[in-house]
Amino acid sequence: DSGVTQTPKHLITATGQRVTLRCSPRSGDLSVYWYQQSLDQGLQFLIQYYNGEERAKGNILERFSAQQFPDLHSELNLSSLELGDSALYFCASSSSGREYNEQFFGPGTRLTVL
Amino acid sequence: AQKVTQAQTEISVVEKEDVTLDCVYETRDTTYYLFWYKQPPSGELVFLIRRNSFDEQNEISGRYSWNFQKSTSSFNFTITASQVVDSAVYFCAPTRESARQLTFGSGTQLTVLP
Repeated sequence: DSGVTQTPKHLITATGQRVTLRCSPRSGDLSVYWYQQSLDQGLQFLIQYYNGEERAKGNILERFSAQQFPDLHSELNLSSLELGDSALYFCASSSSGREYNEQFFGPGTRLTVL
Repeated sequence: AQKVTQAQTEISVVEKEDVTLDCVYETRDTTYYLFWYKQPPSGELVFLIRRNSFDEQNEISGRYSWNFQKSTSSFNFTITASQVVDSAVYFCAPTRESARQLTFGSGTQLTVLP
């Protein structure tokens, strides 16, 4: 158990809908990352937050947004969902968000868009 | 540009055999960090090891050992006396100062047969 929690574990929804994925980092970790894992694109970085502020952005679509709250939990919002958004979404946390910090991953949320 | 390559797509070994997973990271950066993660069939991503680009000393930890050669950009991971529970996808993932997120390779599927 990495100490990172993600809810829900599974999510099934329809095209055009909006969903919110939630992540709680390990106790004491200030930085949160979101990654997407799909069969065709592999594991890709989406976005990073550090202590409530956006720190880095990767291949995140404009339909997607995220935030980190004062209690350090984070939410990833996916809107106008398309079939291609079906994937496993991981949240990871690290202590200071520096490049030498290990990132610890949550169990992931499997999103299925029908 | 940076490039991380895991040329081995799938490896199959019989239990108790040693197995080496290859990773090549091509970059002009002088300082970077290399991580290995494991993704068992259950789906979670498990942190295994981290190496610094300025430390070429090989290390052993239990059944795991790793060999880093900066001159050839190779960062190989060896499992000694493999076990069925080692069956998983193994990812090599570097980070660097200007890109603190993990950049995952395509992964190597390791199957250990009883």
